[in-house]
Amino acid sequence: GAVVSQHPSRVICKSGTSVKIECRSLDFQATTMFWYRQFPKQSLMLMATSNEGSKATYEQGVEKDKFLINHASLTLSTLTVTSAHPEDSSFYICSARTGQGLSNQPQHFGDGTRLSIL
Amino acid sequence: GNSVTQMEGPVTLSEEAFLTINCTYTATGYPSLFWYVQYPGEGLQLLLKATKADDKGSNKGFEATYRKETTSFHLEKGSVQVSDSAVYFCALSASDTGRRALTFGSGTRLQVQP
Repeated sequence: GAVVSQHPSRVICKSGTSVKIECRSLDFQATTMFWYRQFPKQSLMLMATSNEGSKATYEQGVEKDKFLINHASLTLSTLTVTSAHPEDSSFYICSARTGQGLSNQPQHFGDGTRLSIL
Repeated sequence: GNSVTQMEGPVTLSEEAFLTINCTYTATGYPSLFWYVQYPGEGLQLLLKATKADDKGSNKGFEATYRKETTSFHLEKGSVQVSDSAVYFCALSASDTGRRALTFGSGTRLQVQP
């Protein structure tokens, strides 16, 4: 159980393109979803937290107009990288869990999306 | 703020060797502690967790004990296999952020040679 599907697994596109990444919880209701970014050989950095039906909370230094997050249902959150540039190239990983706020439910991770902007 | 410090890798071991990956943390309150494993090109998988002091998390031969007095959560395995080669992340979730997001360590790459 507790499967999170992330799609696509790899994207290569031209500078200026907008890219949408989907994160789905397949067998549980994901009240909260997190989006992380991972640079090569580095750790994961939290970008934003989204709760179903409300606006995402962005971490300091993350541009909300650049990284649009939508969490319209209990099984789907999307991250759209708008007008992507080479510096946005990275590995993006989502996670999902049941429960909001201070819930101690474990996070379940997707397999990540490798974004390469030419 | 919250932080997690892991030993730098890579850690290279022969098959059946004993593994220790050190992890210490700084956090307010009473965090939950986790070890995640990441295989090449994949996302993270939860390996084990502990939610309170003196708890021992264990899974697939790996174990770690939540030590509040030393603020540590070291990962150990008695006999590693080639299939254990991956990057291991220590992480914590704390209540001070209001949402229990995970704070990760920098990761430790483990390479097990046959």
